[in-house]
Amino acid sequence: QVQLVESGGGVVQPGGSLRLSCAASGFTFSSHGMHWVRQAPGKGLEWVAYIRYDGSDKYYADSVKGRFTISRDDSKNTLYLQMNSLRAEDTAVYYCAKDRFGVGVTYFDYWGQGGLVTVSS
Amino acid sequence: QSVLTQPPSVSAAPGQKVTISCSGTTSNMGNYYVSWYQHLPGTAPKLLIYDSNKRPSGIPDRFSGSKSGTSATLGITGLQTGDEADYYCGSWDISLSAYVFGSGTKVTVL
Repeated sequence: QVQLVESGGGVVQPGGSLRLSCAASGFTFSSHGMHWVRQAPGKGLEWVAYIRYDGSDKYYADSVKGRFTISRDDSKNTLYLQMNSLRAEDTAVYYCAKDRFGVGVTYFDYWGQGGLVTVSS
Repeated sequence: QSVLTQPPSVSAAPGQKVTISCSGTTSNMGNYYVSWYQHLPGTAPKLLIYDSNKRPSGIPDRFSGSKSGTSATLGITGLQTGDEADYYCGSWDISLSAYVFGSGTKVTVL
């Protein structure tokens, strides 16, 4: 069955960097677009970033544009989110999610359990 | 402030029906499909409805979706205590080149 497992979360100081990973299994990773979605404490879901199946197209939320980078390694079936210049408002549980298709943003048919990122001094 | 508008909460007794509205614009729901997600805090969100009115396998037919113009509705019939969760609508927004979620609606079973 489809499994998405996030790792790499933790506590980081404002202005610092962190890289999240999402290990995928149970489906052909290289054929699907992938996303990162986050939920700050007490807030709703916020879409963060998307990468097309072949990595040729990426989209970002305005709140993270220029600071976060989404990438993928199909040889390792792994999705990444490099987060730089972190701010307190980036504190959230970060979920990786699988897109139903490889091209274009459609909907998220599977989600990981999430990884907590805390930005605090 | 979310691009898609949902009521903060809805409630009903066990066995009853609730509906959750989601309002958008022509930049998102007016021209793109809507999907709905159920989220219990601390767990992975779950896809309930895709392409505005389709249910993935394993989702009971107590859950239904509809869309008209720039508005969509999620219906839950035969309400159960296990349905207590937060529900989010979502859609692609061509103006923002971003996926947008609704603000979320908390369902309470009285």
